[in-house]
Amino acid sequence: DTEVTQTPKHLVMGMTNKKSLKCEQHMGHRAMYWYKQKAKKPPELMFVYSYEKLSINESVPSRFSPECPNSSLLNLHLHALQPEDSALYLCASSQQPSGSTGELFFGEGSRLTVL
Amino acid sequence: KNQVEQSPQSLIILEGKNCTLQCNYTVSPFSNLRWYKQDTGRGPVSLTIMTFSENTKSNGRYTATLDADTKQSSLHITASQLSDSASYICVVSAIQISNFGNEKLTFGTGTRLTIIP
Repeated sequence: DTEVTQTPKHLVMGMTNKKSLKCEQHMGHRAMYWYKQKAKKPPELMFVYSYEKLSINESVPSRFSPECPNSSLLNLHLHALQPEDSALYLCASSQQPSGSTGELFFGEGSRLTVL
Repeated sequence: KNQVEQSPQSLIILEGKNCTLQCNYTVSPFSNLRWYKQDTGRGPVSLTIMTFSENTKSNGRYTATLDADTKQSSLHITASQLSDSASYICVVSAIQISNFGNEKLTFGTGTRLTIIP
């Protein structure tokens, strides 16, 4: 079982809705990540938080808004999404934000469908 | 440009047989190479992480090899089981000197493995 917990597992929303994806880890990791994965494609990095501060934003549209309330939690706020944003959203964490051999632990993912 | 290419794109084998998946990369400067297993609709799970000095690493029935000179890696699965059906993703890490030594991961597109009884 993964030690990174994501909720909800499935989410269906309309283009005018506001929703949030949540991610939690209790491994004491100081780096947390959001990835987006379309079917049959590899995960694409969206955001990286290091020590609860946003360190990387891979030019993600502003309709995706990340938030890191504390070292264990990571949220992804969704607003005015498009159908093409439908994907599996993966949260991951690693022990340290930099350096080599930082193993990534992924959550089970949140399957998002935008109607 | 950093790239990771995996082959074959998909593979179907009989239960109990062995198979080998390939990964070629052009990532520089190289830090480490990882193999992940991803079941459909679920998050990737780490199988191995190999650094420059490691040639072979095993995790149960999974054995990964790394040739840093030719920039190739393979993942060998022995005595396959139905539960091995998944996508296997090769991920190569580069150290970004200009970004405080932070890692940048480049993902391969994966090999879809199907085990049939």
